Amino acid sequence: GAVVSQHPSRVICKSGTSVKIECRSLDFQATTMFWYRQFPKQSLMLMATSNEGSKATYEQGVEKDKFLINHASLTLSTLTVTSAHPEDSSFYICSARDEGPDYEQYFGPGTRLTVT
Amino acid sequence: RKEVEQDPGPFNVPEGATVAFNCTYSNSASQSFFWYRQDCRKEPKLLMSVYSSGNEDGRFTAQLNRASQYISLLIRDSKLSDSATYLCVVNGVGQFYFGTGTSLTVIP
Repeated sequence: GAVVSQHPSRVICKSGTSVKIECRSLDFQATTMFWYRQFPKQSLMLMATSNEGSKATYEQGVEKDKFLINHASLTLSTLTVTSAHPEDSSFYICSARDEGPDYEQYFGPGTRLTVT
Repeated sequence: RKEVEQDPGPFNVPEGATVAFNCTYSNSASQSFFWYRQDCRKEPKLLMSVYSSGNEDGRFTAQLNRASQYISLLIRDSKLSDSATYLCVVNGVGQFYFGTGTSLTVIP
C-alpha cells in the first residue's frame, strides 16, 4: 500500500508554545489530506480536511486559528498547534487519500503530543 | 444519528473461533467502504476495501449490503495476532466517516 510519513512521532512542549507536525505522502500525490485527533480509548475525530492549494475545511468545534493547516504541495501538509495547552495533548494522525477509484486513505504513523 | 455506527464490543473469543462484526451507515449515497485495523497506540491500517460483490482475503471476508446499509467483516480461525480494534470507515461525498471501532481480543 501507499506510504504516508509523519514527523515528529513524539513531541513534548511547554504550555504556550507552538508545535508543527508534518505529513508527507511518499509514493503518491495527494490533493486531499486529513487531520485527525484521537484521545485515549476514543475513536478518531476528524479535525480538518486539507486541500492542496486552498484553505482547509475545519470540522465544527475545531478552532482554525489554533490549528493552522498548510497544504502547500501535493505531498506535504502541515498542522501547527499554536499556543498549545495541556488539553491539546493527544495523538494526532494525518491521512492522505488515494485518488484511485476506491479513494482509499492511508494513515501516517501519528504524532503523540504532550503539553506540559 | 451518527453517520456510522459500530458495536464497540469488546469481543473476547478463543483462538480458532469465527467472529463477525457489523457496521451500519446512514447516508445511502455513500460511495466507498473499508475496514481498518488499529492496534493500541498506533495508526489505523487498511485491512480491506469492501465491494458490492463481497470480497475475501485469506481468513477475512467483507460484505456490503446497500439495501440495508450495512457492512460486515468476518474473521475465521482467529489468531492471537488478530487482537485489535477494527474500524468501519465509509466514504461519502469526499469525506470519511469512522465508526467508533470494535475491540477484539483473541484468547489462547
